[in-house]
Amino acid sequence: NAGVTQTPKFQVLKTGQSMTLQCAQDMNHEYMSWYRQDPGMGLRLIHYSVGAGITDQGEVPNGYNVSRSTTEDFPLRLLSAAPSQTSVYFCASSYSTRAGYEQYFGPGTRLTVT
Amino acid sequence: AQTVTQSQPEMSVQEAETVTLSCTYDTSENNYYLFWYKQPPSRQMILVIRQEAYKQQNATENRFSVNFQKAAKSFSLKISDSQLGDTAMYFCAFIDNYGQNFVFGPGTRLSVLP
Repeated sequence: NAGVTQTPKFQVLKTGQSMTLQCAQDMNHEYMSWYRQDPGMGLRLIHYSVGAGITDQGEVPNGYNVSRSTTEDFPLRLLSAAPSQTSVYFCASSYSTRAGYEQYFGPGTRLTVT
Repeated sequence: AQTVTQSQPEMSVQEAETVTLSCTYDTSENNYYLFWYKQPPSRQMILVIRQEAYKQQNATENRFSVNFQKAAKSFSLKISDSQLGDTAMYFCAFIDNYGQNFVFGPGTRLSVLP
């Protein structure tokens, strides 16, 4: 049981380049989310998904695309990278039951855009 | 929109002493969950403790306990017998009962001094 995995761990892009951050979970969770973490601002929600085929925007969605074709995978795409997207990105999966709510985070991807 | 505030950007405590981290939040919901996450230098987000809003009893996990004041919308974290390994960023977080709106505070950097 690997939990939530993210690749790559580090990435450097030039302005205008595109790339995809990969996220996978093996816990069969319905909910998955992408956050970015900037100094002094905590984590901010970029996009989230409540199940395969369903995605929605979070607080800071501009410049990012997502899709959810399977329960396990939730990739985050940067179409044209900008220096403002330099950040640490976290993927998370979560579930909600009568007993409570649990969210599990991946190890994060540090992205630098030059 | 829900907001989470952590008014202490940095704190320090002597090893073996007790420290309390503050968190306030704003919501119009009646049912929700509150969390404290720890982020050590490794960057991994680690769940410390969770509180369901419908429970009046304060949650406790070993050396970690919370003071949940629903009417005041306050959710502080008390760390007893502080250890060097407690040095980390601590984030307070909120999610509503639908599991779709996860909001983090800006974090408190805690240093445990030998």
